[in-house]
Order: sequence, then C-alpha cells, then structure tokens
Amino acid sequence: DTAVSQTPKYLVTQMGNDKSIKCEQNLGHDTMYWYKQDSKKFLKIMFSYNNKELIINETVPNRFSPKSPDKAHLNLHINSLELGDSAVYFCASSGSFTGYTFGSGTRLTVV
Amino acid sequence: GESVGLHLPTLSVQEGDNSIINCAYSNSASDYFIWYKQESGKGPQFIIDIRSNMDKRQGQRVTVLLNKTVKHLSLQIAATQPGDSAVYFCAERDKAAGNKLTFGGGTRVLVKP
Repeated sequence: DTAVSQTPKYLVTQMGNDKSIKCEQNLGHDTMYWYKQDSKKFLKIMFSYNNKELIINETVPNRFSPKSPDKAHLNLHINSLELGDSAVYFCASSGSFTGYTFGSGTRLTVV
Repeated sequence: GESVGLHLPTLSVQEGDNSIINCAYSNSASDYFIWYKQESGKGPQFIIDIRSNMDKRQGQRVTVLLNKTVKHLSLQIAATQPGDSAVYFCAERDKAAGNKLTFGGGTRVLVKP
C-alpha cells in the first residue's frame, strides 16, 4: 500500500489550461501539505491543511487553489497555467507524533 | 535531457569511505530537524531526525549532529555505498508556524566505485 499517493505522475499541458493534481494518504495523518520543487531541486512549501482547515498559505499566486474534501485528501487545482509553473509538485502528510511522509511527485510541464 | 540539480553542491566520495553532509539552518525557533534522501524520480525519503533538546542521534550507518549555538546540522554516513548516491536535504520544523517544514538547498552525493 502506498502511504501518500499522487496522480498523475506526469502532466504535460499548454499554457492557459486549468489542471488538477490529486493526493491521498492512508496513514491517518491529520495534516497534509503541497510542496513545489524547482529546477534547482529547491523544495518550498505552498500550502498545508490540518483536518480540512487551511493552516499555511505561503506567497503563492491565487491561480493555485488547494481543496481538502476530507483529512485523507488534498488536491491542488491550478488555473491559467504559465510556463513558470513547470516544476515537480510533492504532496506530504504528517501526524502529531510522526514525521513527514512524501508522495513520489507530479512532474508538471507547461508548454 | 534534464539539467536538474547541476547547480547543487556535490560531494564525491569513494565507496566504503564515510560521508559528511553539512547544513546551516536559519530559525532559532525550530524544534525538530529531519534529513531526507531523494533519489532520481522519487519523493524525499526520511533518513533520520533529531529534536532540538538533543545534540546527537544515531541510526543504522547514519548519525545526525545538531549544534544549536551555530545553527548547524550534519549527517554522517558510514561506509558509503553506491545506493547512497542521491540528493540529501536537511529540513527544520517550526511548530509555531503550523508545523511548517523548511528545506535546505540540498547536497548531491556521488559514490565512486
């Protein structure tokens, strides 16, 4: 069983399109996150949700909208995609007494 | 082709030697620190962690040292193996900021046979 699973693994799309990335965790964790990894491998937090409530919202364009239908899911919707949105997006989760577990990433390429 | 990671600091180490990866962190309020390993095409994988009330923690072939005075973290890998080749990240957690985990810039380790 994959602990944190993201879909799709690869996403190639044209500028201006709207796309979603889905994330699910089966670890029973209360908190979920989205991270963006750029071409220099730098990992930066975008959002976190705790029990469906938004906790962290870093300086991210409002074209990015996270949605958490329940504590096991955190999806990321991106409107009007731009070339600079190309990156690898990682979902992660954590519990009160556990560390952070990451998904395997979604490589987004905007052309 | 992929140019990802070409600007990363790189540590080349001979198989069987010990590796030391260093990390400077910025937030004196951070209470928990983690080292992650990231292999190509995968997400960061947990290696070892340490809480701020400790200065050393050992795992299997890995040791993490924490020096809060100078805000420095290091990861030591004993008897480095080819499977240790990856990018390594340190991360610090700020509990007061919603358990926000902030990552360092990463170090690429290349193990030479």
